[in-house]
Amino acid sequence: QKEVEQDPGPLSVPEGAIVSLNCTYSNSAFQYFMWYRQYSRKGPELLMYTYSSGNKEDGRFTAQVDKSSKYISLFIRDSQPSDSATYLCAMSYNTDKLIFGTGTRLQVFP
Amino acid sequence: KAGVTQTPRYLIKTRGQQVTLSCSPISGHRSVSWYQQTPGQGLQFLFEYFSETQRNKGNFPGRFSGRQFSNSRSEMNVSTLELGDSALYLCASSLEPVNYGYTFGSGTRLTVV
Repeated sequence: QKEVEQDPGPLSVPEGAIVSLNCTYSNSAFQYFMWYRQYSRKGPELLMYTYSSGNKEDGRFTAQVDKSSKYISLFIRDSQPSDSATYLCAMSYNTDKLIFGTGTRLQVFP
Repeated sequence: KAGVTQTPRYLIKTRGQQVTLSCSPISGHRSVSWYQQTPGQGLQFLFEYFSETQRNKGNFPGRFSGRQFSNSRSEMNVSTLELGDSALYLCASSLEPVNYGYTFGSGTRLTVV
């Protein structure tokens, strides 16, 4: 069993929809939680960073961490075609290496 | 401000050969980390360098090695290539060795035939 599980998708939604992306994990020691966005033929770029539990909002993006359920989510409001990309969750128990999910491919159609 | 530069972008090698990949971090960044990305396994940590010292190493065989130079540029080397080494190799740099400060390059796509 992988330490971090993520549904690969693809997830296809119409423009303007609310998108929910999720990851589950098995290591209760994880403290740092991140979401990255990766466009085709590009490297991942950091979208959201959360330490420990709780919610964090940045524009159209909201990240949630539920440590009791070992579950993290990323919500995208008013999704746009430009949001079409692969979304990767990542986590760690210290400031060293990240453990990544395999990514969810999102397509937002006009 | 220039981003993280990885060269070459694409590479095709034959089984048994060796390969060297290069990463130039953002100016002023002293930490460089390397990750391997494959469709089945996702991103997996290879190693991390800070001020020319390897701080951390992932669970990869000894055929994978790296180094960092005094100007923070980094190279990774894979010897005796296997078909399973085909992947996107990503380099990430940060000011300090903390994972939430990563900026990734666009990667080197290695194909082993």
